[in-house]
Amino acid sequence: QSVLTQPPSVSAAPGQKVTISCSGSSSNIGNNYVSWYQHLPGTAPKLLIYENNKRPSGIPDRFSGSKSGTSATLGITGLQTGDEADYYCATWDSSLSVGVFGGGTKLTVL
Amino acid sequence: EVQVVESGGGLVQPGGSLRLSCAASGFAFSRYSMNWVRQAPGKGLEWVSYIRSSGSPVYYADSVKGRFTISRDNAKNLLFLQMNSLRAEDTAVYYCARDLPMNAFDVWGPGTMVTVSS
Repeated sequence: QSVLTQPPSVSAAPGQKVTISCSGSSSNIGNNYVSWYQHLPGTAPKLLIYENNKRPSGIPDRFSGSKSGTSATLGITGLQTGDEADYYCATWDSSLSVGVFGGGTKLTVL
Repeated sequence: EVQVVESGGGLVQPGGSLRLSCAASGFAFSRYSMNWVRQAPGKGLEWVSYIRSSGSPVYYADSVKGRFTISRDNAKNLLFLQMNSLRAEDTAVYYCARDLPMNAFDVWGPGTMVTVSS
């Protein structure tokens, strides 16, 4: 059972928008930055968002991040079939002194 | 090109040991903290361990504490994970990941597979 809670799956049609939630507590999301990753089977995970809402160079602005209290959200607009992947949130847990990942959300673009 | 490449995975019996390595290139390795992250078959990503750029402090997931040891050789641009008392549940792809400040992993290797089975 993950410290951070994500929905197991989300789906939307091409061109539409989807959001993925990540719920934690005051010891992790509430007091630390959140990052988001895209993971395709057999490949290395890719950093999409860091420090809650910043995009690394090369990540399109279709991807956005936000945080409020003990929850964070990843938004993806203009969905493409190539966006089908597993998405993970991550942060640090200050009470446990460990890194934590969400359980992952499988995105299906119908 | 900035990259990290893991090696050292393989098949090991329960109770055995294995040492993973991660070779870094294209960036000033000694200035970055590093992590190990794993993914068991059919499961999600799991953070395993962290080491500061200087070599300390280090942190471990509860699932590996006391059995795994993270270390680094900044002169050779290498990161290590010594894994002892291996269990079936340690079977996973192990990734080396560079640490951006503020809890983000910006450079990942392709991973190395560790299988613990008799």
